[in-house]
Amino acid sequence: KQEVTQIPAALSVPEGENLVLNCSFTDSAIYNLQWFRQDPGKGLTSLLLIQSSQREQTSGRLNASLDKSSGRSTLYIAASQPGDSATYLCAVNGANSKLTFGKGITLSVRP
Amino acid sequence: EAGVTQFPSHSVIEKGQTVTLRCDPISGHDNLYWYRRVMGKEIKFLLHFVKESKQDESGMPNNRFLAERTGGTYSTLKVQPAELEDSGVYFCASSRGRSSYNEQFFGPGTRLTVL
Repeated sequence: KQEVTQIPAALSVPEGENLVLNCSFTDSAIYNLQWFRQDPGKGLTSLLLIQSSQREQTSGRLNASLDKSSGRSTLYIAASQPGDSATYLCAVNGANSKLTFGKGITLSVRP
Repeated sequence: EAGVTQFPSHSVIEKGQTVTLRCDPISGHDNLYWYRRVMGKEIKFLLHFVKESKQDESGMPNNRFLAERTGGTYSTLKVQPAELEDSGVYFCASSRGRSSYNEQFFGPGTRLTVL
């Protein structure tokens, strides 16, 4: 059974800092991995999708990496801004297209 | 392109009542998924439609939950009768094609409170 872990549960950083959010999963037999952002009371916004054959994906100030064999992914946020404050969720797509989610990391970027 | 929409955004009902949630996927997306997050837990898969067919309903908690997708367009998720533990946020997602490699796009969710 796939399990996804995101540690720590919460993170507070000053504006401008580069930061790394971690995600680990127990079963390396995945099709892809998605990083999502969720603002309070809102839905999930897909940030990046990494296929199992890829090592990383970039979008603007975001870079996600995937090491399938070790069951790890990281989301790198460059030059963090207060508007980046949100909950970041990692989800792996394994058998039958269903996503298995971590509990998320709540990020607060202080001005 | 319109995103995934869900209705209602909030629903408050009493234990024993019936509630029906609706999801409209992105136009042209064959795959439709329902997920749920209960308080303090991670988001969990409920079921997956490919067009009008249930591909996987292994995450449905019990037979009080009934999902339909008539005509392969919008989907409904009915809870009857609702219990206290059904409270949570119900998300719908959709993706194109029949490949497991495709990105899933989520709706804003329906927050269900059972009193």
